[in-house]
Amino acid sequence: DAGITQSPRHKVTETGTPVTLRCHQTENHRYMYWYRQDPGHGLRLIHYSYGVKDTDKGEVSDGYSVSRSKTEDFLLTLESATSSQTSVYFCAISAQGTNEKLFFGSGTQLSVL
Amino acid sequence: GESVGLHLPTLSVQEGDNSIINCAYSNSASDYFIWYKQESGKGPQFIIDIRSNMDKRQGQRVTVLLNKTVKHLSLQIAATQPGDSAVYFCAETPYNNNDMRFGAGTRLTVKP
Repeated sequence: DAGITQSPRHKVTETGTPVTLRCHQTENHRYMYWYRQDPGHGLRLIHYSYGVKDTDKGEVSDGYSVSRSKTEDFLLTLESATSSQTSVYFCAISAQGTNEKLFFGSGTQLSVL
Repeated sequence: GESVGLHLPTLSVQEGDNSIINCAYSNSASDYFIWYKQESGKGPQFIIDIRSNMDKRQGQRVTVLLNKTVKHLSLQIAATQPGDSAVYFCAETPYNNNDMRFGAGTRLTVKP
């Protein structure tokens, strides 16, 4: 998966608890993305980063925050998890943004009970 | 709002036949289009892409066709193999925009 590691691979948590997902890349790519995948919706962009400390919102950013303190790491935080955030979360990277192909990680399956 | 969509959610073909997966898009400002393959439990994997200044692009056993007049994108897979069984997504990006939008996906099943 093009040097992308997502952790954890699976997580079960309770409503109201904070959750942080991690994406680590070894490609030194500038752009990093967090998508969620739900049945019938394909992949939807949550947040993305275009450099260290530079982030922006995507289509479904409510309830999520991100941080990028190093080129290689992009963290996604659910401040207070809700059942609607049960999903599969994918990290993606690219060197030049979405006008070229994205490389995806293997995903994190998150269940909020 | 504008969206990327698919004509068929499932497609079943015989091994050795050609497969065609279709995708409609509605954003006339889209400049870049891409097809991904996703196998169960894995992340999407790049197959082929095309820019708006082209109408056809070929790869190994795959061809992407772009019809900007009717805003239609298709993926053709030649001599479909069991290993091609997966969900296929089209995606689009408007020019100079960082929001790649994905379709809901088509599940391709290859029968031996």
